[in-house]
Amino acid sequence: QKEVEQDPGPLSVPEGAIVSLNCTYSNSAFQYFMWYRQYSRKGPELLMYTYSSGNKEDGRFTAQVDKSSKYISLFIRDSQPSDSATYLCATSNTGFQKLVFGTGTRLLVSP
Amino acid sequence: DTGVSQDPRHKITKRGQNVTFRCDPISEHNRLYWYRQTLGQGPEFLTYFQNEAQLEKSRLLSDRFSAERPKGSFSTLEIQRTEQGDSAMYLCASSLIQGAGSGANVLTFGAGSRLTVL
Repeated sequence: QKEVEQDPGPLSVPEGAIVSLNCTYSNSAFQYFMWYRQYSRKGPELLMYTYSSGNKEDGRFTAQVDKSSKYISLFIRDSQPSDSATYLCATSNTGFQKLVFGTGTRLLVSP
Repeated sequence: DTGVSQDPRHKITKRGQNVTFRCDPISEHNRLYWYRQTLGQGPEFLTYFQNEAQLEKSRLLSDRFSAERPKGSFSTLEIQRTEQGDSAMYLCASSLIQGAGSGANVLTFGAGSRLTVL
């Protein structure tokens, strides 16, 4: 079993839709949770990160972490075609060591 | 500061040849990571350095792989006797760690070096 599980998609939505992207993880030592966006043939770029449980909002993006169920979510409001990319969740422990990534979910937003 | 730079962006080689990738991290960053990403998968950790010290290596890093960061600045990843299974995107990332309690380990990635082994 992978430490971080993520549905690979693809997830296809119309422009303006609310998108929900999710991951589950198995290691309760993970404390930091991140979302990266990766366009085709590019490196991942950080969207946002959260520490422990709770919500964090940045513009159209909201990240949620539920440590009791080991569940991570990213919500995108008013989705745009430019949001079409692969979204990677990642986690790390408090030891500031390596990030562990999910498989990535490919999102397609059609105009 | 132009971010994390990787070179070459794409390398095509024949099986059995050696290849070397270079990574120039963000100048003030003390941590440097190498990840490998195959099609349809997330990045998989290979190794990381804090300054010039290599602190952890994944079991994915076979004896044919060697990484160095001789002066704590740029890093090289060499693959000897390449195999078709080595075909992947090799991603470099860097971060600044200032000690316990300083927050998340936020990695900044380069654009990657794509390896194709024929």
